[in-house]
Amino acid sequence: DAGVIQSPRHEVTEMGQEVTLRCKPISGHDYLFWYRQTMMRGLELLIYFNNNVPIDDSGMPEDRFSAKMPNASFSTLKIQPSEPRDSAVYFCASNELPGLAGLTDTQYFGPGTRLTVL
Amino acid sequence: AQSVAQPEDQVNVAEGNPLTVKCTYSVSGNPYLFWYVQYPNRGLQFLLKYITGDNLVKGSYGFEAEFNKSQTSFHLKKPSALVSDSALYFCAVKGNSGYSTLTFGKGTMLLVSP
Repeated sequence: DAGVIQSPRHEVTEMGQEVTLRCKPISGHDYLFWYRQTMMRGLELLIYFNNNVPIDDSGMPEDRFSAKMPNASFSTLKIQPSEPRDSAVYFCASNELPGLAGLTDTQYFGPGTRLTVL
Repeated sequence: AQSVAQPEDQVNVAEGNPLTVKCTYSVSGNPYLFWYVQYPNRGLQFLLKYITGDNLVKGSYGFEAEFNKSQTSFHLKKPSALVSDSALYFCAVKGNSGYSTLTFGKGTMLLVSP
C-alpha cells in the first residue's frame, strides 16, 4: 500500500481565500484523523471519522473549518475564509478498527500539507 | 482526561552514546502507549507501542521503550545513538476501555552530534 496520501504538499494562499486539503487513507482503514501541527500548540486533533461518519469535531477551531468524508477512500478539510493564523502543517492519519486488545490500533500518518496564509 | 508529558524540549547526545527520551502519562485504566518519530518535512512515523505483556518493547531502528506502571512512564531508549536519529520524537497515550483517540505529548527534539 502507498500509505496515507495527502495533497497538496504545499499550499500558499492569501487571507480570505478558500483552502481545500485532501487525504486518501490506507485502504481498509476504518478511522481517519485530521491533525494540525504548529510550533506554539504542537500536534492538535481537529476531527476524526469512523466509517466515513464524523465522530468528534470538538478540535475544529472555528466554523471556518469543515471536514467531509464522502467515501472510505477520500476526505477533505476546508478552510473558508482562511486567515494567517491558520498557517500550519496539516496531517491526515488513518488506522484499522481496533482488534483484540488493540493490537492493530496504530495510526499511520500522511506526509502533511504545509499551509501558508499570507 | 488523558495526558502525556515530555519534560525535555531537547535532548543532546554524542554519537555512540546511549540515549533516553522521557515520557510520563496519565490515563484512566490501563494505557496503550506509543512512540512516533518525525523527520524534517515528513509525517509522523510509528516506532513502537506497548499494549500488554513484556514491559520492555522493541521497535524500529534499534529503539526500545520501557513501560513502568508505578512511575507511569514510558521512556524511549537506544543503546548507541546515530547522527541519523536526530529528529522530533512524540510519545502518545490512549486508554484501553472503549474507543479513545491518541493524546500526543509536545515532542522532544533529539540532536545527536558526530
